[in-house]
Amino acid sequence: AQSVTQPDIHITVSEGASLELRCNYSYGATPYLFWYVQSPGQGLQLLLKYFSGDTLVQGIKGFEAEFKRSQSSFNLRKPSVHWSDAAEYFCAVGALGGGSQGNLIFGKGTKLSVKP
Amino acid sequence: GAVVSQHPSWVICKSGTSVKIECRSLDFQATTMFWYRQFPKQSLMLMATSNEGSKATYEQGVEKDKFLINHASLTLSTLTVTSAHPEDSSFYICSARDRVGTNTGELFFGEGSRLTVL
Repeated sequence: AQSVTQPDIHITVSEGASLELRCNYSYGATPYLFWYVQSPGQGLQLLLKYFSGDTLVQGIKGFEAEFKRSQSSFNLRKPSVHWSDAAEYFCAVGALGGGSQGNLIFGKGTKLSVKP
Repeated sequence: GAVVSQHPSWVICKSGTSVKIECRSLDFQATTMFWYRQFPKQSLMLMATSNEGSKATYEQGVEKDKFLINHASLTLSTLTVTSAHPEDSSFYICSARDRVGTNTGELFFGEGSRLTVL
């Protein structure tokens, strides 16, 4: 079955500290992987995506993620967290194709809180 | 990047009334749009896939007569919650895929619409 697991429901880090949000996936085909961020009451904003090529991808706001096929993981990292990074983060996996085959499967999200 | 706009962003209605939410792709054509529902502190749950010019495909457990979806053009899909009840109160989000970039899998999301049914 296709699924995305974000093991951490809530993470608190101090401002300036490093961050790693975990994401594991189960997918039958070659996955396309995404990280989205959602602020309260807002839609989703794409942070970064992996389609192919270099397994370390850079995104907006200083985020990066590394695709590890052997571990079925796509963890999100940031070397120094800012207070404005506090939000909900969703990992998602998708596939080629149109229609419903192209839909994304989302993890349950990880809420990030940032201590001053 | 591509922009998807939802309207209204917030709506309050009385129980028994119907509410329409619009999802527009502003700078691209979208043959496929998706409607999600998000409960507080939960992930997005796909409700239906909206295909331009054809009937929407609903996920299991979603009442198609309750949640009417119309995708009349390549830039507009609408979700109508009919005879709304308090349990329909939720955050509804749409997403769209660029017709040109169909094979990339990337979706662009609207800002969401919060429905509160009194």
